[in-house]
Amino acid sequence: SQTIHQWPATLVQPVGSPLSLECTVEGTSNPNLYWYRQAAGRGLQLLFYSVGIGQISSEVPQNLSASRPQDRQFILSSKKLLLSDSGFYLCAWGQFATDTQYFGPGTRLTVL
Amino acid sequence: AQSVTQPDIHITVSEGASLELRCNYSYGATPYLFWYVQSPGQGLQLLLKYFSGDTLVQGIKGFEAEFKRSQSSFNLRKPSVHWSDAAEYFCAVGDMDTGRRALTFGSGTRLQVQP
Repeated sequence: SQTIHQWPATLVQPVGSPLSLECTVEGTSNPNLYWYRQAAGRGLQLLFYSVGIGQISSEVPQNLSASRPQDRQFILSSKKLLLSDSGFYLCAWGQFATDTQYFGPGTRLTVL
Repeated sequence: AQSVTQPDIHITVSEGASLELRCNYSYGATPYLFWYVQSPGQGLQLLLKYFSGDTLVQGIKGFEAEFKRSQSSFNLRKPSVHWSDAAEYFCAVGDMDTGRRALTFGSGTRLQVQP
């Protein structure tokens, strides 16, 4: 069966510091991968998606970036965090044919 | 572009009562529709999905949803709510028209269950 991991689970970072969140998927190959952000009391906003290694599409302009160095690894990064980057970050993998997406446990990021 | 509306931000029901959460979508063709549930501080868990065929879809935890094309709706129902159902529920529509294959989510409905 497929499993998706995210770490860290919780992160508190000062403004201006760098960020690296990691997501890995097990039990499937060549998945579509997604990063979503959920601000407090809000719905989910798609940040990035990837259909293959090195292929990243950005949905919204911001100071975040994403990379996919391996088939089942998806990384969310920032060089300098802003207060507005605080939120709950969710990674998901998807089956291309059916659009079904499966979510990881999430990372709670607080920028102070 | 597709969109999803969940008109109820917050719903409170008594344990054992029936539940219906509303979802309306906007999409040009036959949509792929989903309901997810999120417990506090957790990721999203897929409850059920509709792709085609029977318009009444059964999911996990005793939930079902009915696709009504004429009303552009995909409402989630449960005949008898349990205290453990208290969570936030998200409706989503799949993007089949482009290569992004991403989901567009509604803003969610928070369910509170009274004893």
